[in-house]
Amino acid sequence: QSALTQPASVSGSPGQSITISCSGTTSDVGGYNYVSWYQQHPDRAPKLLIYDVTNRPSGVSNRFSGSKSGNTASLTISGLQAEDEADYYCSSYTDKNTLGVFGTGTKVTVL
Amino acid sequence: QLQLQESGPGLVKPSETLSLTCTVSGGSISSSDDHWGWIRQPPGKGLEWIGTIYYSGSTYYNPSLRSRVTVSVDTSKNQFSLKLSSVSAADTAVYYCARHVIYDVLTGYYREHYFDHWGQGTLVTVSS
Repeated sequence: QSALTQPASVSGSPGQSITISCSGTTSDVGGYNYVSWYQQHPDRAPKLLIYDVTNRPSGVSNRFSGSKSGNTASLTISGLQAEDEADYYCSSYTDKNTLGVFGTGTKVTVL
Repeated sequence: QLQLQESGPGLVKPSETLSLTCTVSGGSISSSDDHWGWIRQPPGKGLEWIGTIYYSGSTYYNPSLRSRVTVSVDTSKNQFSLKLSSVSAADTAVYYCARHVIYDVLTGYYREHYFDHWGQGTLVTVSS
């Protein structure tokens, strides 16, 4: 199964807002509201930020928000902080003979 | 607080079988609706889901790895395990275990797909 497509890198200055896109198809992102997002700092395990497109687990900052339009999901980080510098991955349920698929990953740089 | 910890050899020879165990603490591996999964990440690359198991033994595998993967569970030890056979250098990666939410309690469908608790990961290198 093909990975979901994310931009390789996104950057922003402290305090700004940035958006990371995650493009799929009607078999995954576009067809179901089961998109999740993860943050991964170097040499650390991924951390769940968003599930079911818009839901935040307890303890996740409200600076992180998710949305979806058509076959593309998005993660917005508002009030960018130095600690947000990390890799970000999207993931989605897919009806293509497997449980789900990850995105290609996006490196966020805080300028 | 649910915690997961991977354990197993950090070095495996080509063509042999990679074996890892994940120990779950702070909760029961037999909890209803909870599934348990394995994910890997080659150095400098992205995440890849490997397989998932329910305490009853029901399994789900990534089609691209299905022929080489076995995931099993030992409820008496609160552990689940991964075996990957016929490994090559391409299987060198950090291997993570995680709780895998796949059941949507509102609809009754197995269409959820997110990992909400992760182990710290363990690097497995395939080399002679």
